[in-house]
Amino acid sequence: AQTVTQSQPEMSVQEAETVTLSCTYDTSESDYYLFWYKQPPSRQMILVIRQEAYKQQNATENRFSVNFQKAAKSFSLKISDSQLGDAAMYFCAYGGATNKLIFGTGTLLAVQP
Amino acid sequence: GAGVSQTPSNKVTEKGKYVELRCDPISGHTALYWYRQSLGQGPEFLIYFQGTGAADDSGLPNDRFFAVRPEGSVSTLKIQRTERGDSAVYLCASSSSGTTNIQYFGAGTRLSVL
Repeated sequence: AQTVTQSQPEMSVQEAETVTLSCTYDTSESDYYLFWYKQPPSRQMILVIRQEAYKQQNATENRFSVNFQKAAKSFSLKISDSQLGDAAMYFCAYGGATNKLIFGTGTLLAVQP
Repeated sequence: GAGVSQTPSNKVTEKGKYVELRCDPISGHTALYWYRQSLGQGPEFLIYFQGTGAADDSGLPNDRFFAVRPEGSVSTLKIQRTERGDSAVYLCASSSSGTTNIQYFGAGTRLSVL
């Protein structure tokens, strides 16, 4: 069975600085997707970035980028130029052949002004 | 609609009662998912619909939980004889089809069983 592990329950970053959130996963599948979702207090999960496992190039979306290390089964999220609106819970998720998403336990990000 | 809509936003019920939670997916999305998020945890999969049929219900915790999607659009999650342990946020997501497509989430229903 696939698992997703987020080992940082909480992180803090100064406004305009860079922060990296860690995620590791375990799977025996060769074809899968990895996601980072943001969940603000409003509860709605918002997709931040998606990575296809067969692509070697790391995905980027504006200030958000990932470091995908397939052999190490690592998928970290880097947030550059952090903004107050980035404060939220961030979840790493795995999507494989079964269609369902498997989520980690989340990292609560605080952004200090 | 523009996004995934879930109603009610909050539901308070008494132990032993029956509840229904509704999900209205993005128009045209054939795949619909239910997840349960307990306090301090990530969402956990409950059930996945492709069209009108439940393609995977392996996440339903027991036979008190049931979900339907009779016309391939709106879905209802039904919980019988609620227990205090059922208290959680129930999230619904939809996608155009399967794993390769992004799941878009609603804001969830917070269920509190007293």
